Amino acid sequence: GIQVEQSPPDLILQEGANSTLRCNFSDSVNNLQWFHQNPWGQLINLFYIPSGTKQNGRLSATTVATERYSLLYISSSQTTDSGVYFCAVDLYSGNTPLVFGKGTRLSVIA
Amino acid sequence: GAGVSQSPSNKVTEKGKDVELRCDPISGHTALYWYRQSLGQGLEFLIYFQGNSAPDKSGLPSDRFSAERTGGSVSTLTIQRTQQEDSAVYLCASSMGQGSNQPQHFGDGTRLSIL
Repeated sequence: GIQVEQSPPDLILQEGANSTLRCNFSDSVNNLQWFHQNPWGQLINLFYIPSGTKQNGRLSATTVATERYSLLYISSSQTTDSGVYFCAVDLYSGNTPLVFGKGTRLSVIA
Repeated sequence: GAGVSQSPSNKVTEKGKDVELRCDPISGHTALYWYRQSLGQGLEFLIYFQGNSAPDKSGLPSDRFSAERTGGSVSTLTIQRTQQEDSAVYLCASSMGQGSNQPQHFGDGTRLSIL
């Protein structure tokens, strides 16, 4: 099956720093989503981004489908950005189940 | 409500008991998914419902796990004769219907602990 690899597995940032999280996938995908799981376990949609670039406040994401990777950028990080960031993909059209990476655990310290 | 609703939020039970977990998807969403997240891990797909089609059960780990979706809306995930390795957070998600590529939206999950 498709492999989804995220890097780095762990990241510690000083508040105010910028970071880039990467997601590589082994096959062509129909859909790609980025999620943030906060310390309370809630899984929050960040981006639905099968291709192209999107921005939402301090966060932005870029997916290069032809090269099978996606990047999540976090600028001016805040302590509330802490948690685990997951990349997830699905292979086929029509909303099939997502395959998740193992996540990047981000800790932002004041 | 506006989001995916799951109940209970926490469940503690003894090994060998049966448990039922409930998911109420976003109104109008015809696709419903169950995932499981073990401690410190990513999410693992369990089962998927799309409209009136037969569910995709390919992710269920054993025959102790089953799920149904009544009336195309609420879903119940049942685990029979629970084992300690069933301890995990069970997450439900929903999305718009087949043929419309839309993001999946997740509930807050049920944290299941088997003693």
